[in-house]
Amino acid sequence: NAGVTQTPKFRVLKTGQSMTLLCAQDMNHEYMYWYRQDPGMGLRLIHYSVGEGTTAKGEVPDGYNVSRLKKQNFLLGLESAAPSQTSVYFCASSPAGTIHGYTFGSGTRLTVV
Amino acid sequence: SQQGEEDPQALSIQEGENATMNCSYKTSINNLQWYRQNSGRGLVHLILIRSNEREKHSGRLRVTLDTSKKSSSLLITASRAADTASYFCATAAGDYKLSFGAGTTVTVRA
Repeated sequence: NAGVTQTPKFRVLKTGQSMTLLCAQDMNHEYMYWYRQDPGMGLRLIHYSVGEGTTAKGEVPDGYNVSRLKKQNFLLGLESAAPSQTSVYFCASSPAGTIHGYTFGSGTRLTVV
Repeated sequence: SQQGEEDPQALSIQEGENATMNCSYKTSINNLQWYRQNSGRGLVHLILIRSNEREKHSGRLRVTLDTSKKSSSLLITASRAADTASYFCATAAGDYKLSFGAGTTVTVRA
């Protein structure tokens, strides 16, 4: 099993450009999450989903949109990239929320110039 | 939002020594989890301790939880070079989402 796969692994965007980060899991997990990791700040939750067709806002949702059209995929969109969105983005999944440990992807390093 | 805070921020130990790091949090929780992150990689789940548990072991890892003090500790015994990583605590106040601290960076010297 691949677990949680994130694409792309690296990306450089110009300010104002848009892009979509893809997260795919093959474990039939219900819950999926998008976090961003910045130095000294730990992981902050952007958006999450408790099942196919559902999404909810996390701590830092502004400037991002998400979609969960299929159970195995969770997409994170940046509508108009800003330098403040330079970060490492992690996707995670769980069978049933916080009663289980999360499985994380290997991350996407995004730089906005 | 609730967030665990790890202490110390960084720790350097000799191979074979024990490493202890602490996590404090602010409000009541359902469980607390510890994760490891090797440089440039994703987080890996290590152990979960429920609010009604006081201690849990997994291999060379020992986790304690004191809900009266709102704190947890992670002990790594007989450390190895491969234990060099950042360690994060994450708290579950509800059913849906975890809140992560900023992490403790552990360096194990040969």
